[in-house]
Amino acid sequence: QVQLVQSGSELKKPGASVKVSCKASGYTFTSYAVNWVRQAPGQGLEWMGWINTYTGNPTYAQGFTGRFVFSLDTSVSTAYLQISSLKTEDTAVYYCAREQSADIDSWGQGTLVTVSS
Amino acid sequence: QTVVTQEPSLTVSPGGTVTLTCASSTGAVTNGYYPNWFQQKPGQAPRPLIFGASNKHSWTPARFSGSLLGGKAALTLSGVQPEDEAEYYCLLYYSGAWVFGGGTKLAVL
Repeated sequence: QVQLVQSGSELKKPGASVKVSCKASGYTFTSYAVNWVRQAPGQGLEWMGWINTYTGNPTYAQGFTGRFVFSLDTSVSTAYLQISSLKTEDTAVYYCAREQSADIDSWGQGTLVTVSS
Repeated sequence: QTVVTQEPSLTVSPGGTVTLTCASSTGAVTNGYYPNWFQQKPGQAPRPLIFGASNKHSWTPARFSGSLLGGKAALTLSGVQPEDEAEYYCLLYYSGAWVFGGGTKLAVL
């Protein structure tokens, strides 16, 4: 069955970096795009961007350029979200979700990133 | 900046029918916005319900339906169950970018 399994919770200090992984199984990884979504505590969903798993080309939403990097390791069917120079306002649950032809049909379980001194 | 607007909250009685809507600041929502709908319960990941405005996933209960209504995307729940109490999000596509609505908190009382 299709699964997206994300890495575990992270506690980081301001200024540090974090890398969240999203491991796919049950389907051909390069046939589906991976989207990244942020949900701050008590807030709604926010689309961060997506990465083309076939070409590796990332697209970032407004507000997610510069410190945010999407990457892949297709040999292990895994997508990554790296956030650098962490700020307290980056505290959120980060989700990956697969998409094909404008159908977002499977989500990871989410990764809580807490940024606190 | 594109804004997608949903009702902040709605209340429905068990067994009743309710329609949630999703409006775009750019004008009427059409099939070209590929509306997706998701259900999220506390502490859980969003669960996909509808894609392409009206297409259901294999796991989507029959009581959920999607449509385009009066220039908006709409999600209708017919015969609401207590377990339908949740936050519902729509998602619209704008030339290479997706934008979420702010979510509708649905109470079943």
